[in-house]
Amino acid sequence: SAVISQKPSRDICQRGTSLTIQCQVDSQVTMMFWYRQQPGQSLTLIATANQGSEATYESGFVIDKFPISRPNLTFSTLTVSNLSPEDSSIYLCSAGESSEAFFGQGTRLTVV
Amino acid sequence: GQNIDQPTEMTATEGAIVQINCTYQTSGFNGLFWYQQHAGEAPTFLSYNVLDGLEEKGRFSSFLSRSKGYSYLLLKELQMKDSASYLCAVKGNTGKLIFGQGTTLQVKP
Repeated sequence: SAVISQKPSRDICQRGTSLTIQCQVDSQVTMMFWYRQQPGQSLTLIATANQGSEATYESGFVIDKFPISRPNLTFSTLTVSNLSPEDSSIYLCSAGESSEAFFGQGTRLTVV
Repeated sequence: GQNIDQPTEMTATEGAIVQINCTYQTSGFNGLFWYQQHAGEAPTFLSYNVLDGLEEKGRFSSFLSRSKGYSYLLLKELQMKDSASYLCAVKGNTGKLIFGQGTTLQVKP
């Protein structure tokens, strides 16, 4: 199984600023994904992080708001830009191969 | 479209057996996952089914019927620590996981 390290684990940010979340996997993986989990709800897929090309975003999520980088097969970042209180949520990185999908410990973001 | 349904809440008694159902309609199917998530923590992988039938792993078992678009997670000998949310997720053709809304299980003494 892959071990996924995600940081920061939590942060409190001012409106209008940005937060970049890092996700490091201990082995090369084909697929990496970013999810959002709002309080009391399930996970919503934001985008698929593609190595060497632009991320693939789900409906309702755009690159200007959630820019994603994936420079290699073990690392990805998600930036949440121009923060508003509605962005307060938990953000989770996921990685794995065909029969696996593991999660980082999540980043709890609070926007004030 | 894609739709994954699970009950919102369930309650069971310590030591008993509980079955959490999941039905799905997705464009493409490359496996079904079950996760456990305790409050404030990340989801933990429980099981993966891609072929029909039952997969047993200790106190937890997961069943899949692809023709019926149906799965269940069976928890035996329930313990208080099993109180958590249980998430059903389906992997489609593109490899991404789509999650159901989750089932909150409360185990009572």
